[in-house]
Order: sequence, then C-alpha cells, then structure tokens
Amino acid sequence: GAVVSQHPSWVICKSGTSVKIECRSLDFQATTMFWYRQFPKQSLMLMATSNEGSKATYEQGVEKDKFLINHASLTLSTLTVTSAHPEDSSFYICSASPSGDPDTQYFGPGTRLTVL
Amino acid sequence: GENVEQHPSTLSVQEGDSAVIKCTYSDSASNYFPWYKQELGKRPQLIIDIRSNVGEKKDQRIAVTLNKTAKHFSLHITETQPEDSAVYFCAASYTGNQFYFGTGTSLTVIP
Repeated sequence: GAVVSQHPSWVICKSGTSVKIECRSLDFQATTMFWYRQFPKQSLMLMATSNEGSKATYEQGVEKDKFLINHASLTLSTLTVTSAHPEDSSFYICSASPSGDPDTQYFGPGTRLTVL
Repeated sequence: GENVEQHPSTLSVQEGDSAVIKCTYSDSASNYFPWYKQELGKRPQLIIDIRSNVGEKKDQRIAVTLNKTAKHFSLHITETQPEDSAVYFCAASYTGNQFYFGTGTSLTVIP
C-alpha cells in the first residue's frame, strides 16, 4: 500500500514552453502533498506545500507564478513549470501525506525535466 | 525556518563495519526526525524515524539517537552490507508540517 505515482517520469521540452507534472496517491487520500526539487548529487529542496482545496504555500525564493501548483482532489496534485528555461532542468519529486497521518510522507518516483 | 546540516557528505566503510551519520537542526519546535535512503535515480525510502519524546530507536541493524538539548540526531548502521550503499538524508519536521532535509551522505560499503 501507500503508493505515489508521478507522470511523466521524464520530459524534454523546448525553452519557453510549459510542462505539467502530475502527482497521484494511488491507494490513500492525501490532504497534503509536497513538491521538491533535486539537483544531481544534492539534497531535496522543498518548493511548496500543497493542501487540497486551497492555495499552495511556497518556500522562500520559489516563484509561485513560475511553478504553478494545483491540488484539486485528495489524490492529485499538479506542478506546472511555466515558460521553462534550461536552468529549470532538474529532478522534481512529490510526496504525499495520508490524511490523518501528517508525519508520514510517501514519495513519488520523480520526474526528470530537461529543458533545451 | 528550519536549517538541517548533515555530516559527512561522503562515507566509505568496509563491509561489516559500522557507519554513523550525524545531523543537527536549528528549530527547537521540530519534533519528528525521519531518515531516508535514496538509491540512484529512485525515490527516497523511509528507513527509520524518531520523535522528540524518545531518545533512541532501533530496527535490526539500524538505530537512530536524538539529543534534543543539543539539537542533533544520528543514524547508526551496524554490520554494513554492500546493499546499504546509497545516499542517506536526514530530515526535521514539526508535526504535520514541511520536512526540511539535510544535504545528504553518500555511503559506500566496500565488499
């Protein structure tokens, strides 16, 4: 149990285009989902906290107009990288906390974004 | 906000030896401290966690200790095996809130 999926697993796009990444909790409901960014051989950097039905809370330094987050249901959160540039290339990982178990985070497999 | 530091950044041990990874945190309100193992290109996996009302927790070859006063916690892996080779991350959280991760430790177990 407790599986989190992400789609796509790898995406290559041209500079200036927008890319949407989906994060789904497959067998549990998640009131809260988190989005992280990870550069090669570096740690997970929290980008934002996404709560179902409300606006996401962004960490300091993360542009909310560039990284649009929507958490429309208890099993789905999306991250849209708008007007992507090469410096946005990274590994994006989501995690989901089961409703009623806020200390636990189950991680998705990650999405590798390459912007040309 | 919370700041988590982790040492060492790389660690090599001989198979069968012990490995210790240390983390410090800044926010005294943090009360939950998980450890994650991440293999190359894969998602982080929770291996052990500890809450602030406990000083030590053990699960087979893995143990975690917490010193609330000093605001540091450590991961101990005994009888290391090659399959323990991975990147390990500590994290600190205030219940129900965001996880702040350490910088990671790349552990290599030499057969």
